[in-house]
Amino acid sequence: GIQVEQSPPDLILQEGANSTLRCNFSDSVNNLQWFHQNPWGQLINLFYIPSGTKQNGRLSATTVATERYSLLYISSSQTTDSGVYFCAVEGMDTGRRALTFGSGTRLQVQP
Amino acid sequence: DAGVIQSPRHEVTEMGQEVTLRCKPISGHDYLFWYRQTMMRGLELLIYFNNNVPIDDSGMPEDRFSAKMPNASFSTLKIQPSEPRDSAVYFCASSLDRARETQYFGPGTRLLVL
Repeated sequence: GIQVEQSPPDLILQEGANSTLRCNFSDSVNNLQWFHQNPWGQLINLFYIPSGTKQNGRLSATTVATERYSLLYISSSQTTDSGVYFCAVEGMDTGRRALTFGSGTRLQVQP
Repeated sequence: DAGVIQSPRHEVTEMGQEVTLRCKPISGHDYLFWYRQTMMRGLELLIYFNNNVPIDDSGMPEDRFSAKMPNASFSTLKIQPSEPRDSAVYFCASSLDRARETQYFGPGTRLLVL
């Protein structure tokens, strides 16, 4: 099946700093989503972005489908950004409507 | 819309007991997914339905697990008998029946089997 690798696994930032999270995937995708899992365990949709660039406030994401990677940018980080960020993909060739998740990037933003 | 609704939010049970988790998808969504999150295996798909029909249950760990979707607005995931290694967070998600659509996740059920 499709493989998803996220980096870095852990990230500690000071409030106000910027960061870039990366997601590499092993095959063409129909679907790529970024999630934030907050400290209460909820999975919050950030972006649906199988290709192209999107922005939502301090967050933006870019997926280069031909090179099989996606980047999530967090600018001016806040303590509420802490949690785990997951990239999840649906492979194009599997015919299977299921997301395969990466292992996540654990972000800690310190005041 | 209320989003995907799951119940209970927390469940503590003893080994050998039957556990039933419930999910109400977003109205109008034709796909429903059950995922499980553990420390060891991360987030993984258990089973998904399209128009109430199970399509792929290859992720269901063993026969102790079963899932049903009797109608478009309700699904259950049952574990019988439960074991300590089933302790995890179980998420339900739903999406529209079109290609390239976002999956929306419920809040999850945190299960602890003692």
